[in-house]
Amino acid sequence: QVQLQESGPGLVKPSGTLSLTCAVSGGSISSTNWWSWVRQPPGKGLEWIGEIYHSGSTNYNPSLKSRVSISVDKSKNQFSLRLSSVTAADTAVYYCARLQPPILWGQGTLVTVSS
Amino acid sequence: SYELTQPSSVSVSPGQTARITCSGDVLTKKYARWFQQKPGQAPVLVIYKDSERPSGIPERFSGSSSGTTVTLTISGAQVEDEADYYCYSAADNNLKVFGGGTKLTVL
Repeated sequence: QVQLQESGPGLVKPSGTLSLTCAVSGGSISSTNWWSWVRQPPGKGLEWIGEIYHSGSTNYNPSLKSRVSISVDKSKNQFSLRLSSVTAADTAVYYCARLQPPILWGQGTLVTVSS
Repeated sequence: SYELTQPSSVSVSPGQTARITCSGDVLTKKYARWFQQKPGQAPVLVIYKDSERPSGIPERFSGSSSGTTVTLTISGAQVEDEADYYCYSAADNNLKVFGGGTKLTVL
């Protein structure tokens, strides 16, 4: 059974870079899936950040495209998110997910942007 | 356009039918999915391909589509259905989008 687990710092300073990793267990990241990042600010809705295929092809939310980068490390069976120039508005629970059937979500990790 | 619009809230009494709409131009060309999210939990898929129900999802959950609008219907809503509901779809150029979410209150 495939599982996803996010990891990374829970606190990032303003203007810094948010970096998170999603470990894929119980299956190969090289399967025919797009792997996604989704975030949810406290008390607000879900926002699609972007996605990556195991080949390295990516798609990003236009509103974040200038600051976001998603990469894949097939040797470690994981994919990663980098979001630069963060502000308090980037404080959110960040989920990694497979948004194609069978749908799969990580448990989510709260990242707070604060000095 | 690259947006999906949902009502911010819907309220029904237990046993009544709840209907949550999601509107967007992309829905004329792309299927929608519906996710249910309860506090502190990751979202759960309740409808895919506009009207298909995953295994394990109660039959009271159904979906439909007409033009630029898809609708999630919960027939005989129960207290445990109280949650936030999000529609989700693909847009052009492989972009994806969530609706703003609808808070369903059952009381």
